[in-house]
Amino acid sequence: KNEVEQSPQNLTAQEGEFITINCSYSVGISALHWLQQHPGGGIVSLFMLSSGKKKHGRLIATINIQEKHSSLHITASHPRDSAVYICAAANAGGTSYGKLTFGQGTILTVHP
Amino acid sequence: NAGVMQNPRHLVRRRGQEARLRCSPMKGHSHVYWYRQLPEEGLKFMVYLQKENIIDESGMPKERFSAEFPKEGPSILRIQQVVRGDSAAYFCASSPPPRTPGSYGYTFGSGTRLTVV
Repeated sequence: KNEVEQSPQNLTAQEGEFITINCSYSVGISALHWLQQHPGGGIVSLFMLSSGKKKHGRLIATINIQEKHSSLHITASHPRDSAVYICAAANAGGTSYGKLTFGQGTILTVHP
Repeated sequence: NAGVMQNPRHLVRRRGQEARLRCSPMKGHSHVYWYRQLPEEGLKFMVYLQKENIIDESGMPKERFSAEFPKEGPSILRIQQVVRGDSAAYFCASSPPPRTPGSYGYTFGSGTRLTVV
C-alpha cells in the first residue's frame, strides 16, 4: 500500500463544475503539498498546509490531521484547469520542509 | 527572483555517456531536493542536499548516480554510463531553512528531460 493515496485517478468534468480530489496518507507529516503538472511541463506548487484550510482564487485545500486526509477543491472549473494534480507528504521532524512522498496523481480533464 | 533554474531542459545522451543535470535554487534557499519521474510513473525522491552536505540519499540508485551542492554554484546530479532506463524527467526543488518569514517554502524547477538513445 502506498504511503500517499489519491482518488480518483482520473476525473472528467464539464466547465463550471465543482471538483474535489482526495488524498489520504499513512505517514507522519510536517506538511501536505498540492502540486499541479501540465503534460510535459514543470511542477507548480499550489498549496502547502499543515492544518485547516487555504484558499487561492478558485482553489481551496483542506486538511484533517486526525483523519490523515486532505482535499483539493476547484470551484467553477475551466478547461485551463486540465492537468495532473499531485498531493505530496513532507516527512515529520528534521530541520527542513523535508523530502516529499508523492501520490500517484489525479488526471483532471475539464471539457468546455 | 528567477525561481529554481534547471538546465538543460532537454538532454539526449547515448548509452554509456555521462549526464550532468544542473539546478540553481531560489535566492535564499539553502536546501535542494532531486526527484525523478519515470515515464508513466509518479515522482520519487532521490536525494536531499544542503550546501556542501548530502543529508539524505536514500532514494539514489546505488551505482552510477551522484549528487553535489558545492559552496559556490549550482547543485549537480550526475549520472555515469547512462542506460535507457535512466530516461526520465528529473526535477529539482529548493526550500529555505524552516520558519523563514515571508517564504512559501518548496519551489520546483521546470525539470530536465533526459533521453538515452
